[in-house]
Amino acid sequence: GAGVSQSPSNKVTEKGKDVELRCDPISGHTALYWYRQSLGQGLEFLIYFQGNSAPDKSGLPSDRFSAERTGGSVSTLTIQRTQQEDSAVYLCASSLVADYNYGYTFGSGTRLTVV
Amino acid sequence: RKEVEQDPGPFNVPEGATVAFNCTYSNSASQSFFWYRQDCRKEPKLLMSVYSSGNEDGRFTAQLNRASQYISLLIRDSKLSDSATYLCVVNMRGSARQLTFGSGTQLTVLP
Repeated sequence: GAGVSQSPSNKVTEKGKDVELRCDPISGHTALYWYRQSLGQGLEFLIYFQGNSAPDKSGLPSDRFSAERTGGSVSTLTIQRTQQEDSAVYLCASSLVADYNYGYTFGSGTRLTVV
Repeated sequence: RKEVEQDPGPFNVPEGATVAFNCTYSNSASQSFFWYRQDCRKEPKLLMSVYSSGNEDGRFTAQLNRASQYISLLIRDSKLSDSATYLCVVNMRGSARQLTFGSGTQLTVLP
């Protein structure tokens, strides 16, 4: 596609439920990132995928968080047993590895609210 | 200490004013530097990269001081449409492709 596509755009879930957030990166971009942004805060790195390499999961806040990237394209971020502190905007970005000096292209995010 | 620190803001300036934002980073091995712009309830978008020699893009000038680990963004002749949050962004991990974002400085340009 022309840009990074994320779905759903908004998600309200009850505490304790699992949620799945989807990201479809720009075609041909081999690097994919997940960040989250809490209200009034900066972006917090979660996880990074690069081609077929093992992902860098160093930013995942707990073992309730996991992510997959199938076929080097679409990625799914899963949060199990959601907590209220998980409420945030979850942003996905992709980039051409060789051109990361041009920065990332972000999707419009998924606004997650845990009630 | 945060890895990337920015002026807390907010900055409220009249149209036509010149405004400068500052940013410091903690990792001296950082290699790439950017300014992103984020409009309210929108995703961040790349504004400009920051090069060692300094660079200009229209009304925007970015500068880097590696010795002081300091980055700046200057906006001249500010417009109402410049109102946004400006994020200082640094590659903190050398060869890895991860960017670290500052918490942003909010700018409001007033008519």
